Amino acid sequence: AQKVTQAQTEISVVEKEDVTLDCVYETRDTTYYLFWYKQPPSGELVFLIRRNSFDEQNEISGRYSWNFQKSTSSFNFTITASQVVDSAVYFCALSEAEGGSEKLVFGKGTKLTVNP
Amino acid sequence: IAGITQAPTSQILAAGRRMTLRCTQDMRHNAMYWYRQDLGLGLRLIHYSNTAGTTGKGEVPDGYSVSRANTDDFPLTLASAVPSQTSVYFCASSEVASGGDNEQFFGPGTRLTVL
Repeated sequence: AQKVTQAQTEISVVEKEDVTLDCVYETRDTTYYLFWYKQPPSGELVFLIRRNSFDEQNEISGRYSWNFQKSTSSFNFTITASQVVDSAVYFCALSEAEGGSEKLVFGKGTKLTVNP
Repeated sequence: IAGITQAPTSQILAAGRRMTLRCTQDMRHNAMYWYRQDLGLGLRLIHYSNTAGTTGKGEVPDGYSVSRANTDDFPLTLASAVPSQTSVYFCASSEVASGGDNEQFFGPGTRLTVL
C-alpha cells in the first residue's frame, strides 16, 4: 500500500529563517507522482508543485525549493527566508494510479508557524 | 471562473439525519473526489468518480454514498449521520482520471458537525 509520512507534526520558526519540511513515501509503483499542497489558516488547499518519479531534478520557485531523492524515497520542501505569510499546514501527497483511476494519498501534514 | 463550489459552507446536524453535501465544478474535469480532513489525520479519500456515470470507493467510504449523474456535479450523501462523521469535507477534481500527473483542484470545504 502507498504511504506518505510527514514526521514533523509542527514546526515553529522566526521570520527569515530557512525551514525544511520532510516527506517520505512508500510505493511499489515505478511511475508515480508527488505533490505538495499548502493549507493556509483560511482553509483552502493550494497546489504548490507536482513531480514525477523520473525527474529527480531539484526545483526552485522563488523562496521555495524541492529536493526529490528516489534513493531515500524523500521529497522534501524548503522555504528560504521564511515569512509570516508562509504560516500554514503543508501536505505532501503521492498519486496512486490503480484500476484506471488516480487517487492522492496524503501525509498527515506539517503545521508551520512563522513568528515575526 | 468559479472552479469548484461546495455547499453548504458549514452545517450542524443531529445524529441520524440525512445530509447531502453538494459539489459543482465548472472546469469540465472528468474526475472528481471527496475527501475528509480530520485533525492529525490529514486528508482521506471517501469516494471518487473517474467520469460521469461511474464511482468508486476510497479509503473511508463507510456511511457515505455518491452519485455522478453529469460531469459537473458530485454530491456526497450521509444517509444517517453519526458523530464520527464530524469533519471538514473537501471536494476535488482533476482533468483526467489516470496518468498520475494531474493536479487536483480543491473546493473551499464544508465543515460538518454531527451532534
